Amino acid sequence: AQSVTQPDIHITVSEGASLELRCNYSYGATPYLFWYVQSPGQGLQLLLKYFSGDTLVQGIKGFEAEFKRSQSSFNLRKPSVHWSDAAEYFCAVGTANFGNEKLTFGTGTRLTIIP
Amino acid sequence: DGGITQSPKYLFRKEGQNVTLSCEQNLNHDAMYWYRQDPGQGLRLIYYSQIVNDFQKGDIAEGYSVSREKKESFPLTVTSAQKNPTAFYLCASSVGLVYEQYFGPGTRLTVT
Repeated sequence: AQSVTQPDIHITVSEGASLELRCNYSYGATPYLFWYVQSPGQGLQLLLKYFSGDTLVQGIKGFEAEFKRSQSSFNLRKPSVHWSDAAEYFCAVGTANFGNEKLTFGTGTRLTIIP
Repeated sequence: DGGITQSPKYLFRKEGQNVTLSCEQNLNHDAMYWYRQDPGQGLRLIYYSQIVNDFQKGDIAEGYSVSREKKESFPLTVTSAQKNPTAFYLCASSVGLVYEQYFGPGTRLTVT
């Protein structure tokens, strides 16, 4: 069965530093891949998505993610974080096994920004 | 503006009462979903619906019920049978089950 793993429960980064959040998936074919952000008490907002084509995807708020098939990964990156980036980040994987299409969310990574 | 609305933002109920959470979308999406989120936890799927008048149980459907009488509406009822109803509830919609989901702002339910 397909699964999504976000290995880091909590990450702390200094403001202005670079960021990489990890996401690994288990699925036999190429999945659809997504990253979401959730501020406290809010709904989830889509940051970016990958369906096919260029494996480096640009998203909103200066984020990007790279699909690496050989590593079954879709890590989220930002070159310089801002205090407003503090939030919970969720990776999600869309898989299309016949009769069992679904979107599976990871358990999330909480990002703390320190001055 | 297209989007998903959930009302109310905060809801308080006494134990033993049923309560219905509203979810409306004007994105013309076929699929709609309900998730539960507890502090520090990820999303857990309660129910989902692919088309009008049809819905399926998710991972934690016990104590909840839904209806899908209109494409744009997918209300969730938290029944008195739900043992731990206090949580943050999120509604979402998408064009199909493998595609990106768009989320509402959530309803925080407190049962005392």
